[in-house]
Parts: sequence; structure tokens; C-alpha cells
Amino acid sequence: RKEVEQDPGPFNVPEGATVAFNCTYSNSASQSFFWYRQDCRKEPKLLMSVYSSGNEDGRFTAQLNRASQYISLLIRDSKLSDSATYLCVVPSGGSYIPTFGRGTSLIVHP
Amino acid sequence: ETGVTQTPRHLVMGMTNKKSLKCEQHLGHNAMYWYKQSAKKPLELMFVYNFKEQTENNSVPSRFSPECPNSSHLFLHLHTLQPEDSALYLCASSQWTSGRTDEQYFGPGTRLTVT
Repeated sequence: RKEVEQDPGPFNVPEGATVAFNCTYSNSASQSFFWYRQDCRKEPKLLMSVYSSGNEDGRFTAQLNRASQYISLLIRDSKLSDSATYLCVVPSGGSYIPTFGRGTSLIVHP
Repeated sequence: ETGVTQTPRHLVMGMTNKKSLKCEQHLGHNAMYWYKQSAKKPLELMFVYNFKEQTENNSVPSRFSPECPNSSHLFLHLHTLQPEDSALYLCASSQWTSGRTDEQYFGPGTRLTVT
């Protein structure tokens, strides 16, 4: 299994839809997990941190499944402005270096 | 604003030039990172500095030379680059606690073109 694996998509959804992405990881010792959002030709920006079973912030919910070693990101009531690439980050190795997934592309259309 | 600045924002250089990228963080973090992002590729970690000491060098060619004079500043010195080195170079900072990685904050990046 790759250290951090994401479905690249693109996920093409209409406004108002609910969409979910998964991210699988190999380092079972990881304690912290992150979702970042990256717009085209811009830097990644932190969306959510996950330190226990999950986190919720408005329309965004992240859930952690330690047994199956994946984290998910759920976006409810999608907006056009949610169109971006969503990056999963999991600390890897003994020194807990942040390891980025390849990202999942989301396109929200009218 | 993320509190991480990078200069220059754009750079065009020839293969024989020497240039430097600069990163500064105003967040009081103790770890800083250089990443490379090429078109349609994932972020590639290049270097990690933790308390000014280099802790990771991800098999980066020697034509890239990092420098971290203090915990707020990070440089990437470039010399005799190749066209395939054209990419977005991103700097990030975070707090580093033993056994745990905290959130990273990224600068806006330097878009580098090697001609």
C-alpha cells in the first residue's frame, strides 16, 4: 500500500450535492491527519485537522477510521466555490514527516 | 494571510544562472519545509528543517542547496538548473512536537521557469 493514497477524480457534481472523498494511509502509528484545499496555481490551504475520530466545520465533515486506515472528507450542499483539489496529509515514518496524497479534484457545476 | 511569505513570486532563469529563493514565516514555528510541485504532479517534499537543523533531504540533486540561518528564514539556492526543474516551489512552516506533526502553513510559492 502506498503511504497516502487518494482517488484523483475528478468528481463532477451539481451545486447542492453531497460528495465524499476517501484517503487511505499505511502508517498505523499516525496520530494526526489533515485535509488541505488547493486552488489552481495557488498554495495549499488547511481545511481541517483530525486528531481523534473526526471533525466537523460547517458543511465539511472529516472522519477517521483507524481500523481500516482511512480518513474521509464529506462536503454537504456543494457550492461552485468548493471546486478545487483536496489533499490528504498523513505523517509518515518514524519522524512523522507530513506526506501528501496526490489530491482529489472536485468540480461543482451549476 | 498565512504568515508565510516567499520572494520572488516569479523567476525566470537560464541554466547557467545562480539565484536564491527566500521564505520567511511570522508564526513562531520551529519547522520549515521546501516542496516542489510540477504540473499535474503531487507535492514533492525536498527538505525539512527542524529547529534550524536539516532533518530530511529527500534525494534532491545538489543543484538545489537549502539554507536555514534561523527558525524564521529559509532559503533555496539554485545553480545550473535544468528545464525539468521548472515548477512551483512552495515553502511551509509548522510547529513540530515530538511524536506528532502539526498543521502546515504554506507561502504563495515561487513559480520558476528554467530556460
